[in-house]
Amino acid sequence: EVQLLESGGGLVQPGGSLRLSCATSGFTFDAYAMTWVRQAPGKGLECVSAISDGGRRPFYANSVKGRFTISRDKFKNTLFLQMNSLRVADTAVYYCVLVDAIPRWGQGTLVTVSS
Amino acid sequence: QSVLTQPPSASATPGQRVTISCSGSTSNIGSNTANWYQQYPGTAPKLLIYGNNQRPSGVPDRFSGSKSGTSASLAIRGLQSEDEADYYCASWDASLNGWVFGGGTKLTVL
Repeated sequence: EVQLLESGGGLVQPGGSLRLSCATSGFTFDAYAMTWVRQAPGKGLECVSAISDGGRRPFYANSVKGRFTISRDKFKNTLFLQMNSLRVADTAVYYCVLVDAIPRWGQGTLVTVSS
Repeated sequence: QSVLTQPPSASATPGQRVTISCSGSTSNIGSNTANWYQQYPGTAPKLLIYGNNQRPSGVPDRFSGSKSGTSASLAIRGLQSEDEADYYCASWDASLNGWVFGGGTKLTVL
């Protein structure tokens, strides 16, 4: 069974940093592209970053470009999102999503940026 | 501004049929499949339709999807009160190498 478990969210001040992790199991991790999708309170869904199966060609939404870095560890079957220079507008639930014909989502981790 | 375009709201009475549209472009729906998600407040999105018209196990056959060119549609027949939720369309965008989403449609069962 495919499982995706996000962690690392929490409360951080504007300008601060957080590192999100997504521990995966139940599939061949390094054979699939992975993404981070977020949802701000009361708002829609936004794909903030994606990484190919080989770790090449990362995608970043304009809203996070230059501040967020996506990476993956094939030995730990884990996806990461390093978030720097956080803004109030980055407050959201962050979901780890497996890119497959049947996309699989984690339950999400809440990031709150507030002073 | 979402890459995919959905109506912000839809409504119908129990038992009726409702359709939600999703308009994209050649780099997303036009060259990849469309997925649909259902979301209740405070919960993670649930995959409702994948591959344009496929239902994951457990999704009632009242829900159906279709695609034509650069647009996709979600149809719900025999509407029930429990179908009141937010619905999002999504597709992989080949030029971005990332998911693109519609802005969501809030379905109200009158």
